[in-house]
Amino acid sequence: DGGITQSPKYLFRKEGQNVTLSCEQNLNHDAMYWYRQDPGQGLRLIYYSQIVNDFQKGDIAEGYSVSREKKESFPLTVTSAQKNPTAFYLCATSVRGSGELFFGEGSRLTVL
Amino acid sequence: DAKTTQPPSMDCAEGRAANLPCNHSTISGNEYVYWYRQIHSQGPQYIIHGLKNNETNEMASLIITEDRKSSTLILPHATLRDTAVYYCIVRVAGNYGGSQGNLIFGKGTKLSVKP
Repeated sequence: DGGITQSPKYLFRKEGQNVTLSCEQNLNHDAMYWYRQDPGQGLRLIYYSQIVNDFQKGDIAEGYSVSREKKESFPLTVTSAQKNPTAFYLCATSVRGSGELFFGEGSRLTVL
Repeated sequence: DAKTTQPPSMDCAEGRAANLPCNHSTISGNEYVYWYRQIHSQGPQYIIHGLKNNETNEMASLIITEDRKSSTLILPHATLRDTAVYYCIVRVAGNYGGSQGNLIFGKGTKLSVKP
């Protein structure tokens, strides 16, 4: 199947632990994005990458880290420095320069 | 900050047209209007976008006023499956790597289609 795969779908972690969320795509898109969504709110951009081996901070990058070593993969690490990590995390891809984003199904992280 | 203003919620009867308004009074000449929707607990889905002409695809129609300060998304025959949050976004076209090209999602309009 073509598309974007996010894993895990649900994740529970203890406070102070780092967590890595996976995002894999086989759409051959250059650009990849991570967004965070809190209940009743819109999406906020965490990090984005327009090309392999390059990425940029979005609006709320503090407490998060990413890597883009392969075109297909853009993992997001939620570090212990993130004050309120419990949220719904969405990965998206696009053709570079396009505003038509394709989203994964999301990962719901709960920190206990 | 989001550059668009949308009503927080709207209702529509099943089978009728749903008309979702959006104000973008500060839109620049090189900014497109994009619409996405998000069904509960899923990732957003692209619907349509336009610059100044009206656009139509298999999902919806987009009507942009002549001064481009507002637009309306039209779902011609709403079904229960169209119940979702609809986001109106303005974006600079073709921005490669710059932050201006990133999509800013506000709170959108929660559309409830009722039987």
